[in-house]
Amino acid sequence: QQQVKQSPQSLIVQKGGISIINCAYENTAFDYFPWYQQFPGKGPALLIAIRPDVSEKKEGRFTISFNKSAKQFSLHIMDSQPGDSATYFCAASIAGTYKYIFGTGTRLKVLA
Amino acid sequence: EADIYQTPRYLVIGTGKKITLECSQTMGHDKMYWYQQDPGMELHLIHYSYGVNSTEKGDLSSESTVSRIRTEHFPLTLESARPSHTSQYLCASSAAPGYSSYNEQFFGPGTRLTVL
Repeated sequence: QQQVKQSPQSLIVQKGGISIINCAYENTAFDYFPWYQQFPGKGPALLIAIRPDVSEKKEGRFTISFNKSAKQFSLHIMDSQPGDSATYFCAASIAGTYKYIFGTGTRLKVLA
Repeated sequence: EADIYQTPRYLVIGTGKKITLECSQTMGHDKMYWYQQDPGMELHLIHYSYGVNSTEKGDLSSESTVSRIRTEHFPLTLESARPSHTSQYLCASSAAPGYSSYNEQFFGPGTRLTVL
């Protein structure tokens, strides 16, 4: 119930391509879904987040698509760049708990 | 750039030593967290605190202990380090909704611990 399942574990994309990372959850009490980006030797940093009252949120080249009925959400990186090469984590949180449940992470490599 | 600091960044020690990993934040956040990150990437919550003198164990059992006697400081201690404690330890903090983006967690750079 508390798990967030993330796929794929690793992803290789050509420069200019679209990177897509998927996450699924079971607990319908989750109401905040952030995506974090982590570069080697650094801590994760918030990339973009969504609440379940909207189906899509876009910030620059990064878009979250949210399907409440399917209990799935995904991160799309348009025009992927080598600088986007990093590990990406989805997460879910329940209001008032202040705790995240993280997905297992996706290593993205964008080839120049 | 978040104002959350961890020291040391790297630590190599022998079995049986007592160690303390330091974490400080200058954002006035009331909530702080410790995560253990596997070489395979997964983040596991091992301790959290909702304020001064408040500490709770996280989802992953850990032999470490924490204390929170000042808002800005959340150290993690291992009384007797073992090779199984070798990992990356990440500290994070967040504030109550209304203060920042719905309890966004800000992470420090991590401490890479190796126990020989």
